[in-house]
Amino acid sequence: EIVLTQSPGTLSLSPGERATLSCRASQSIILNYLAWYQQKPGQAPSLLIYSASRRATGIPDRFSGSGSETDFTLTISRLEPEDFAVYYCQQYGTSPSTFGQGTRLEI
Amino acid sequence: EVQLVESGGGLVQPGGSRRLSCAVSGFTFSSHWMHWVRQAPGKGLMWVARINSDASSTAYADSVKGRFTISRDNAENTLYLQMNSLRGDDAAVYYCARATTMSSPLRDWGQGTPVIVSS
Repeated sequence: EIVLTQSPGTLSLSPGERATLSCRASQSIILNYLAWYQQKPGQAPSLLIYSASRRATGIPDRFSGSGSETDFTLTISRLEPEDFAVYYCQQYGTSPSTFGQGTRLEI
Repeated sequence: EVQLVESGGGLVQPGGSRRLSCAVSGFTFSSHWMHWVRQAPGKGLMWVARINSDASSTAYADSVKGRFTISRDNAENTLYLQMNSLRGDDAAVYYCARATTMSSPLRDWGQGTPVIVSS
């Protein structure tokens, strides 16, 4: 199975700053089928980005995704207070689908 | 409005069984692939199983293969997860999620139902 490694494990930033989260795959992800999810405490995950760079419906443009093959990045251009959460990447091109271990974005 | 509502979680003894349900509304259930994803307390997300739109194809994580069965009733707009031979490491919040096709992200999620495995 494809192993996804996210870094850093925890990212400490302030509102207004830029966040860069990384997701590295153990092998190339077919057709860049890589998604990013946000999870807030006590809530289900929600889809932010799919196909590496496409924003899901209703996601603000301060969220952007980039990358290809094995290296992917989620960038939040200017952090808002509500952006502090845990972020997961997921590959869904090869079965079994797999998730990264998550990056906690904290104030 | 898309809604996915899981139920059926609770306390179960090691070696026991439990069936989870996910009732959906707000979209054409019979046209979508569906997944179960779980999250152990304080841990990350783990994909568990998926089923295609007409239930002709299923897939499982290795850790649950042979013990869990995913199924669906398109007439009742409900997804199921039958869990047998439960172990301590199966304890988690179980989420159902919808996808469009085989290679689709998980666009909508339920709120989750907790399964506790303990004697």
